[in-house]
Amino acid sequence: EDQVTQSPEALRLQEGESSSLNCSYTVSGLRGLFWYRQDPGKGPEFLFTLYSAGEEKEKERLKATLTKKESFLHITAPKPEDSATYLCAVQEGGSYIPTFGRGTSLIVHP
Amino acid sequence: NAGVTQTPKFRILKIGQSMTLQCTQDMNHNYMYWYRQDPGMGLKLIYYSVGAGITDKGEVPNGYNVSRSTTEDFPLRLELAAPSQTSVYFCASSTSRDRYEQYFGPGTRLTVT
Repeated sequence: EDQVTQSPEALRLQEGESSSLNCSYTVSGLRGLFWYRQDPGKGPEFLFTLYSAGEEKEKERLKATLTKKESFLHITAPKPEDSATYLCAVQEGGSYIPTFGRGTSLIVHP
Repeated sequence: NAGVTQTPKFRILKIGQSMTLQCTQDMNHNYMYWYRQDPGMGLKLIYYSVGAGITDKGEVPNGYNVSRSTTEDFPLRLELAAPSQTSVYFCASSTSRDRYEQYFGPGTRLTVT
């Protein structure tokens, strides 16, 4: 059973159509949850780290939130350049080994 | 700053051959990591290092070795390549203070046939 589950696996949106990506986790003693963006053929690019339930962070059209069981990445009025795979990962306290989800592939049509 | 650089970009190996994937960072980061990414799967940590001379196993270390003689370089060695090692390999680095904010290289696509 995956410790980190991302849904949906793929999402197609029209430009300007807001939506949310989900990352649910089952690890205990969460030390941090992080979001990355990955463009095809490139390495992941760091977006956010969230440390505790109730925390929120924003960057341009993206907003990440965290509860005790899941995180959401809200995308407001997306543009085609937001098309990418979004990766979620968690790290337990005392561990240097992150657990990554399989990602959500987002395509935004103009 | 070039950030994290990796060489080669692509490589095809025959079963049983060996090779070294190179990784260099110019951000003076203490922490460095090697991941592999298989299609449809999450990134898996192979090895990591918290400083020169210090390395430790990640989630999937079997079949790999690393060394860290300088802050900048963190090579990954594959001995006796196997088809199961076909993957995309990413090197990353971070500061010790913000170790969740990792900077990734562009990756090496390795095929073992």
